Amino acid sequence: DAMVIQNPRYQVTQFGKPVTLSCSQTLNHNVMYWYQQKSSQAPKLLFHYYDKDFNNEADTPDNFQSRRPNTSFCFLDIRSPGLGDAAMYLCATSRDGTSYEQFFGPGTRLTVL
Amino acid sequence: SQELEQSPQSLIVQEGKNLTINCTSSKTLYGLYWYKQKYGEGLIFLMMLQKGGEEKSHEKITAKLDEKKQQSSLHITASQPSHAGIYLCGADGGNNRKLIWGLGTSLAVNP
Repeated sequence: DAMVIQNPRYQVTQFGKPVTLSCSQTLNHNVMYWYQQKSSQAPKLLFHYYDKDFNNEADTPDNFQSRRPNTSFCFLDIRSPGLGDAAMYLCATSRDGTSYEQFFGPGTRLTVL
Repeated sequence: SQELEQSPQSLIVQEGKNLTINCTSSKTLYGLYWYKQKYGEGLIFLMMLQKGGEEKSHEKITAKLDEKKQQSSLHITASQPSHAGIYLCGADGGNNRKLIWGLGTSLAVNP
C-alpha cells in the first residue's frame, strides 16, 4: 500500500543534543510537510517542500531545519532541542500544489530530557 | 487571516447515540477537510467538501458544507467506540498549498 512512513515512532533526546526525524513516502507526491503538534493543539506547520522548493513558515524557529534529498524522503533536523520542543511531529504529503488533501504519517513523539 | 472554530471542544456520548461536530470559518470556505486523529497517531483523511450545500457520507459519518460556505458539520449516526478520537477540520488557506486547522473536537464513546 502506498503510504507515509515516519521513523522512529518515539524519539528521546537530551536537552541540546541534535536529533533527526525521518519521513518517507511511496505516494510519489510533490509536496511534503512537517508539522509540530503539542497536546490538545492543532498541528502547526513548520515548513513544506514543493518538489525541491523549500518554504519556511515565518514563525518557525531557526533551530528547526529540513532536508529533502529526493522525492521520497524528507528529514526534520532539530539542532539544539529544548524542553519546549517536546511534541508530536507529523509528516504529510499532498499530490501537488492544486490538491489540499494531505496524507499523514503516524507521527514521531519526541521527548526531551 | 482566516480562523476555524470547532464546537464542541469535547464530547462524551453513549454508544449508539448520534452526535454533531461543527466547524465555523471566519471567511468563506473554498475547501473544507475533515480528519480524524487517534491519540498518539497521525491524521486520517475523512472527507473533503468544496461546494455550498455539498454533503458526503462514509459509513456512518456524514459531513455537510452549508450554502454560504462558512460552516461545516460532521454528523455521526449510531456512534461506536471505534469513532472515538479527535476530529479536526482544515480549510484551504488560499493558493499556498497550506491548510488552516481548527483546534479539534475530542470524542469519547462509552460502551
